[in-house]
Amino acid sequence: GENVEQHPSTLSVQEGDSAVIKCTYSDSASNYFPWYKQELGKRPQLIIDIRSNVGEKKDQRIAVTLNKTAKHFSLHITETQPEDSAVYFCAAITGRRALTFGSGTRLQVQP
Amino acid sequence: SQTIHQWPATLVQPVGSPLSLECTVEGTSNPNLYWYRQAAGRGLQLLFYSVGIGQISSEVPQNLSASRPQDRQFILSSKKLLLSDSGFYLCAWSSIYRGQGDTQYFGPGTRLTVL
Repeated sequence: GENVEQHPSTLSVQEGDSAVIKCTYSDSASNYFPWYKQELGKRPQLIIDIRSNVGEKKDQRIAVTLNKTAKHFSLHITETQPEDSAVYFCAAITGRRALTFGSGTRLQVQP
Repeated sequence: SQTIHQWPATLVQPVGSPLSLECTVEGTSNPNLYWYRQAAGRGLQLLFYSVGIGQISSEVPQNLSASRPQDRQFILSSKKLLLSDSGFYLCAWSSIYRGQGDTQYFGPGTRLTVL
């Protein structure tokens, strides 16, 4: 089955800096890659997603890039703010249309 | 718009007791439904998913079971809880329609503590 690895597990940046979280997947048939943000005690919220026919997608301060050949995708957050502090999960969808999640990255934005 | 509900929000149960968690979706028909579990400080593990009434696929063999008695209702059950069943249980839904069917939206979750 699909396996998704996510790095780093923790990331601390200064407010205004950029943050990058990287994920790799194993199943070359995976074609949908969402990113979720989870605040403490809350449900995961979709922040951005990308399909395999696109190499990059941007939404304001958030962007995702996908390299199908290398089977990795990354989340980029620019001009980080304290409210960006949360746990971020990447995921990949398998042939049976269920998500396999990475292990999560705890992002701390220092004011 | 679509809304997903879960209850109860929190639950404390003794080891060996039964469990029933409920998830309902409003504002859509024939959704795909999912149960995930998140242990403290960990990622999300898919437990069950359903593409229709009475159709359940299990991802992890364990003492949990799932049922879908109605189109927009998904139930997670156990006959005897284990300590290791503690966690944050999340229900999610996605659309069956092409072009929309991959995005999953999560319910508010049930925090289960087994003592």
